[in-house]
Amino acid sequence: EAGVTQSPTHLIKTRGQQATLRCSPISGHTSVYWYQQALGLGLQFLLWYDEGEERNRGNFPPRFSGRQFPNYSSELNVNALELEDSALYLCASSWGGTLAKNIQYFGAGTRLSVL
Amino acid sequence: AQKVTQAQTEISVVEKEDVTLDCVYETRDTTYYLFWYKQPPSGELVFLIRRNSFDEQNEISGRYSWNFQKSTSSFNFTITASQVVDSAVYFCALMDSNYQLIWGAGTKLIIKP
Repeated sequence: EAGVTQSPTHLIKTRGQQATLRCSPISGHTSVYWYQQALGLGLQFLLWYDEGEERNRGNFPPRFSGRQFPNYSSELNVNALELEDSALYLCASSWGGTLAKNIQYFGAGTRLSVL
Repeated sequence: AQKVTQAQTEISVVEKEDVTLDCVYETRDTTYYLFWYKQPPSGELVFLIRRNSFDEQNEISGRYSWNFQKSTSSFNFTITASQVVDSAVYFCALMDSNYQLIWGAGTKLIIKP
């Protein structure tokens, strides 16, 4: 069974540009989560999508946005890139529904570098 | 407020030694889940274990064991007879009622041959 896949592996952008990161969840999982792992800041929750809707959002500015498609894959968009957006962006997926079923499985991440 | 503390920033041991990684959490929820993940140099977070707040039984899986104590709000992780392949950053996390994982800062474990 395929795990969570993320693309691209690496992404280099310049300040002010937009970045699009993609995530395909494990087959059967309906929830997708995005996390940012920046140097010195640890892992921070960004967004949670379930059944196509945004369910929760972390403490990030509106230029971080995303969506979930009917096939449950997801896209994270970062507009007006700033140098401090450079980080590893991790996507996770899980079964939706109850807390009892929620184990998040992670992809290998997209390393975004903003120059 | 929900919080996870991993006080050990880095631990270095020689192969075959036992090592314990500490995790202390804070939450006001009565139902919560605790997790351990491993992050090898490749970057992918690997799920190791989940514990719910009602199950204080210790867990053993091969060389790995976990000790959950609600009285001290701790969920510690022990690797017995460590191996070089155990070298990684280990994260403890708490899941609250919003399905959000709250992460500790991680402990970098270095196993020397």
